[in-house]
Amino acid sequence: AQKVTQAQTEISVVEKEDVTLDCVYETRDTTYYLFWYKQPPSGELVFLIRRNSFDEQNEISGRYSWNFQKSTSSFNFTITASQVVDSAVYFCALRGGGSQGNLIFGKGTKLSVKP
Amino acid sequence: GAGVSQSPSNKVTEKGKDVELRCDPISGHTALYWYRQSLGQGLEFLIYFQGNSAPDKSGLPSDRFSAERTGGSVSTLTIQRTQQEDSAVYLCASSILDRVGEQFFGPGTRLTVL
Repeated sequence: AQKVTQAQTEISVVEKEDVTLDCVYETRDTTYYLFWYKQPPSGELVFLIRRNSFDEQNEISGRYSWNFQKSTSSFNFTITASQVVDSAVYFCALRGGGSQGNLIFGKGTKLSVKP
Repeated sequence: GAGVSQSPSNKVTEKGKDVELRCDPISGHTALYWYRQSLGQGLEFLIYFQGNSAPDKSGLPSDRFSAERTGGSVSTLTIQRTQQEDSAVYLCASSILDRVGEQFFGPGTRLTVL
């Protein structure tokens, strides 16, 4: 069975703080794909990143960085120097390597960044 | 438009009525997905269309739910004899087949069953 767990339901930080959103996944596939999506208050899901299971390099994009560790089945997301505009619900998702195309989503972490 | 569009944006219906929700994917995207987002349930997969292949219906919660995709483009999700527990935001997404999993989501249809 495939599963994504985001243990943090809600996080509140003050602007300029760094924050890490945790994601732990379960899959029996040897090839799989991991994703992060952002859902701002407007409601539309926005794709942030995709990571393949065979590429464990961490990635940085501006204030965003992702730490993929197969040994602990984790794909954590860090926002450095958070801003109010980062306030949103963040979803981690998993797609298996087979023919099934759907994403398995975690329940999301609601991040509130206060000024 | 350039993105995935869905209509209506909001739908209020009475228990027992049928509803149809529409999704227009991004032009050229061969894969189309329906998800449901409920309070406390997160995002649940419903159905997946890939090109001309038979759809993956494994996520549909009951036989009251069905979907079709005409001409490889527009999709309609139909819920028959709606129940209050069907109240949710129904999200459609599309993707290019060779960009694995990078799904582009529409704004959703908020369904309220009274």
